[in-house]
Amino acid sequence: EAGVTQSPTHLIKTRGQQVTLRCSPISGHTSVYWYQQALGLGLQFLLWYDEGEERNRGNFPPRFSGRQFPNYSSELNVNALELEDSALYLCASSFGGPHEAFFGQGTRLTVV
Amino acid sequence: DAKTTQPNSMESNEEEPVHLPCNHSTISGTDYIHWYRQLPSQGPEYVIHGLTSNVNNRMASLAIAEDRKSSTLILHRATLRDAAVYYCILRDRGSNFGNEKLTFGTGTRLTIIP
Repeated sequence: EAGVTQSPTHLIKTRGQQVTLRCSPISGHTSVYWYQQALGLGLQFLLWYDEGEERNRGNFPPRFSGRQFPNYSSELNVNALELEDSALYLCASSFGGPHEAFFGQGTRLTVV
Repeated sequence: DAKTTQPNSMESNEEEPVHLPCNHSTISGTDYIHWYRQLPSQGPEYVIHGLTSNVNNRMASLAIAEDRKSSTLILHRATLRDAAVYYCILRDRGSNFGNEKLTFGTGTRLTIIP
């Protein structure tokens, strides 16, 4: 069974540009979580989607947004990129509730 | 959200058991205790979870205190591949959507000494 897949694996953008990251959850999982992990730091919660709805978001500015599609895949959009947005962006999927979450390998975004 | 407290780092010798502690004194009755680990340059990996009783799986064991205010992840025989950051987090049973952030703390960096 395929795990959580994220694309692209690496990305280089310039300051001010916009970027879209994609996540395909494990088949049957309805919840998708997005995290930001800057180099050497912990995981910062960004967004949680379940059944197509945004259920919760972390302490990030509005230029971080996303959506979840009917097939439960998800996109994370970041507008007006800043240098400090350089990080590993991780997606996880789950059945929700107390169940375990499974993470993808992440997208490494570098903003120059 | 209920928070967890873990030591920043621990060391263990290869092929010896490792006990990773986690304090969660404000845990609620609907919180599950989850453990994840993150190997270098990889996304976090699920290890184990439990509610009240001790749990065992192929990767590890989870010992939960009777009052549920602390827990211990036990790696029975550490290998070099177990070197990672280990995160203890609380996850609501799902009775309240607002609690499902799956919030990670700073974790414990485990170093295995050959």
